[in-house]
Amino acid sequence: EPEVTQTPSHQVTQMGQEVILRCVPISNHLYFYWYRQILGQKVEFLVSFYNNEISEKSEIFDDQFSVERPDGSNFTLKIRSTKLEDSAMYFCASSENSIGYTFGSGTRLTVV
Amino acid sequence: KQEVTQIPAALSVPEGENLVLNCSFTDSAIYNLQWFRQDPGKGLTSLLLIQSSQREQTSGRLNASLDKSSGRSTLYIAASQPGDSATYLCAVMDSNYQLIWGAGTKLIIKP
Repeated sequence: EPEVTQTPSHQVTQMGQEVILRCVPISNHLYFYWYRQILGQKVEFLVSFYNNEISEKSEIFDDQFSVERPDGSNFTLKIRSTKLEDSAMYFCASSENSIGYTFGSGTRLTVV
Repeated sequence: KQEVTQIPAALSVPEGENLVLNCSFTDSAIYNLQWFRQDPGKGLTSLLLIQSSQREQTSGRLNASLDKSSGRSTLYIAASQPGDSATYLCAVMDSNYQLIWGAGTKLIIKP
């Protein structure tokens, strides 16, 4: 069964450093998403991406965040200057039709 | 603003029992409702998706119902097994095609 692949599975970074989280969506999917889950809290929407541009973003997704689809397969989330409160599990998802999602296994980001 | 609530927050039952997990949402203007499973430190596995026009969906031992007018969904698990132990998350898709999530029910099935 097709999968969404996320790398790395765990990233530790120092506060103020830039991080890039990587995702390989399912190949024929057109819609891409990032969600995050702070430990012990609800999953939260960050951003959706379609046709090479952001279609929706939440209040969380401020100027420190950016997304990119640098080639035909990868979908990345960049955090420019990480803060302690960015520590969370980050989930990438893709969808063929914006209705049914397939999620990756997540990247646990720890900011120290 | 859409709010999704799941009750109970945790549930522990003996193996073999049938059980029901509950999800409620405040705004009935949804496209669909989805149930996910999350294992500790792992990703999100989609279990069932109910479109707003549907009343229920079934997959194996799982059955999910949706009553949009009352803002409720239930996930019924038949003949529970220790492998069903996980956190079960409910999420509704709002008018912006965003998923709004509940906090989950942590389920423990005792052998």
